[in-house]
Amino acid sequence: AQKITQTQPGMFVQEKEAVTLDCTYDTSDPSYGLFWYKQPSSGEMIFLIYQGSYDQQNATEGRYSLNFQKARKSANLVISASQLGDSAMYFCAMREAMMDSSYKLIFGSGTRLLVRP
Amino acid sequence: DAGVTQSPTHLIKTRGQQVTLRCSPKSGHDTVSWYQQALGQGPQFIFQYYEEEERQRGNFPDRFSGHQFPNYSSELNVNALLLGDSALYLCASSEGLTGELFFGEGSRLTVL
Repeated sequence: AQKITQTQPGMFVQEKEAVTLDCTYDTSDPSYGLFWYKQPSSGEMIFLIYQGSYDQQNATEGRYSLNFQKARKSANLVISASQLGDSAMYFCAMREAMMDSSYKLIFGSGTRLLVRP
Repeated sequence: DAGVTQSPTHLIKTRGQQVTLRCSPKSGHDTVSWYQQALGQGPQFIFQYYEEEERQRGNFPDRFSGHQFPNYSSELNVNALLLGDSALYLCASSEGLTGELFFGEGSRLTVL
């Protein structure tokens, strides 16, 4: 079965500095996709970045980048130039294929990031 | 363009009661998935609806049931509520079975 592990329950970062949130995964499927979501206190899951298992380059979206190390089965999220609004829960997730070509997301337990002014 | 909307946002029930949560998908989306997020955990897949049918189901008991209407909106019903059902229930919609998921803000259920 597929599994996502996030070992950092909480992280602090100083405003304007970079921070790395760790994510490791386990799957036997050669084709997979990895996501990072931000969940503010409102509850909504906000999509940040996606990495496909066959993508040649690490994904980047503005201040977000994904440090994808396939051999180590890790997909760490790097947030550059942290802002106070980045304080939230962050979830790593993996796409798991189901029948009918549909899919579900398998989530890790999350990391709470607090940005200090 | 409205995103995914869920109602109610918060509710409190007692053990043994029944609850219905509602979800309106993002405009243009026809597939709805429900996730349960217990406190301090990541969301877990409950089930998925497409063409008014339950297509896929996660590891949840039959007390959890749902429905999708012709306008693609969906309901999640939970019978015989247990304390452990207290959670944030997230609805996600997509265009087709393989489209990108867009999440609502969730319905926070407290069972006393």
